[in-house]
Amino acid sequence: DAGVIQSPRHEVTEMGQEVTLRCKPISGHDYLFWYRQTMMRGLELLIYFNNNVPIDDSGMPEDRFSAKMPNASFSTLKIQPSEPRDSAVYFCASSFAALNEKLFFGSGTQLSVL
Amino acid sequence: GNSVTQMEGPVTLSEEAFLTINCTYTATGYPSLFWYVQYPGEGLQLLLKATKADDKGSNKGFEATYRKETTSFHLEKGSVQVSDSAVYFCASGGQAGTALIFGKGTTLSVSS
Repeated sequence: DAGVIQSPRHEVTEMGQEVTLRCKPISGHDYLFWYRQTMMRGLELLIYFNNNVPIDDSGMPEDRFSAKMPNASFSTLKIQPSEPRDSAVYFCASSFAALNEKLFFGSGTQLSVL
Repeated sequence: GNSVTQMEGPVTLSEEAFLTINCTYTATGYPSLFWYVQYPGEGLQLLLKATKADDKGSNKGFEATYRKETTSFHLEKGSVQVSDSAVYFCASGGQAGTALIFGKGTTLSVSS
């Protein structure tokens, strides 16, 4: 298996622009997670899905952030409009069958909002 | 709610030195505990785990023991290598129906 695939690897955009991050989880995994990593706050859970349904989005910072999972093999995290404080590395991860099972992380998207 | 606290870094060691990275957790019940490692430019990957009290997780020379009495899961390695340079994250299973909770990460730098 190719693992969790994220795109793009790097994204540089200007404040106010819409940003869309993409994730393809490992086939057969039931859970998909979006995390954000910054120096100040470490690794924060933004949202997770179980069988394509959003379960807990309490970590989504504000209404500018939205996430979707239209099918088992694809998810997006959208920021509209983007702000400089959104600059971070965004990770997607997936796991099989249970919340506390091993997480498989993608390589992340480095987002820079100027 | 559950939380994880790990020692702040960076930790700087010479090759073959002994490593300890402290991790403590607060939780309702007895969650599974994990150590993940993040190499430069990559996502996190599972290093080891323990699912119940007194369990010892081990992998690649790293070990951690689930200590219920001290609510700790310290990571140790007897002799570090330059290739161990990475960021190490301690994580705890959340309360029922919640996702893993991660510590802020500890950066390890090993020099030859």
